[in-house]
Amino acid sequence: AQSVTQLDSHVSVSEGTPVLLRCNYSSSYSPSLFWYVQHPNKGLQLLLKYTSAATLVKGINGFEAEFKKSETSFHLTKPSAHMSDAAEYFCVVWPSNTGNQFYFGTGTSLTVIP
Amino acid sequence: DTAVSQTPKYLVTQMGNDKSIKCEQNLGHDTMYWYKQDSKKFLKIMFSYNNKELIINETVPNRFSPKSPDKAHLNLHINSLELGDSAVYFCASSHASLGEQYFGPGTRLTVT
Repeated sequence: AQSVTQLDSHVSVSEGTPVLLRCNYSSSYSPSLFWYVQHPNKGLQLLLKYTSAATLVKGINGFEAEFKKSETSFHLTKPSAHMSDAAEYFCVVWPSNTGNQFYFGTGTSLTVIP
Repeated sequence: DTAVSQTPKYLVTQMGNDKSIKCEQNLGHDTMYWYKQDSKKFLKIMFSYNNKELIINETVPNRFSPKSPDKAHLNLHINSLELGDSAVYFCASSHASLGEQYFGPGTRLTVT
């Protein structure tokens, strides 16, 4: 069975402090994993993806995520939050054998406090 | 150039009407999708087409009918609109083998 759990529906951080958005997954197969960001009234934009290469993945805007198979986690981090990072973030699992079926997390809303 | 475009951006209509949303991608992708995002930001896949062939058809009322005239276009027609259809609808595209999806800006549908 495939599933994605984003452990926090809301995260608030102060500007300049680290960001941690948590994602756990369940997959019967070696999955690809993605993080997308959605700014207010916008479509989703790909931040980064993991596809069985390096387990530490760097994305756009200073974000990175680490794939930990033993913990079935793919947490998103950023060393220093900017006001422009305030948005909704989605973790997505793509099991390698299910063609075009993607599994979306329920999203984490990030608030950045000035 | 806009990679994935949708029209219209906003759609306000009354219950019982029929409406269509159009989607076009200029990325050369072979797969296109329709998603519904509700007021709590939950994203639900509705349909997926690969090379104009329907490959994912989730549990969606048959009032929703997708149509793919070619690989670059995927339109969504909705009959007999209901209040519960109010949502933001996103079109997306990808290469089937790569997985990264590119999303359109969304169409906010309001049924009154």
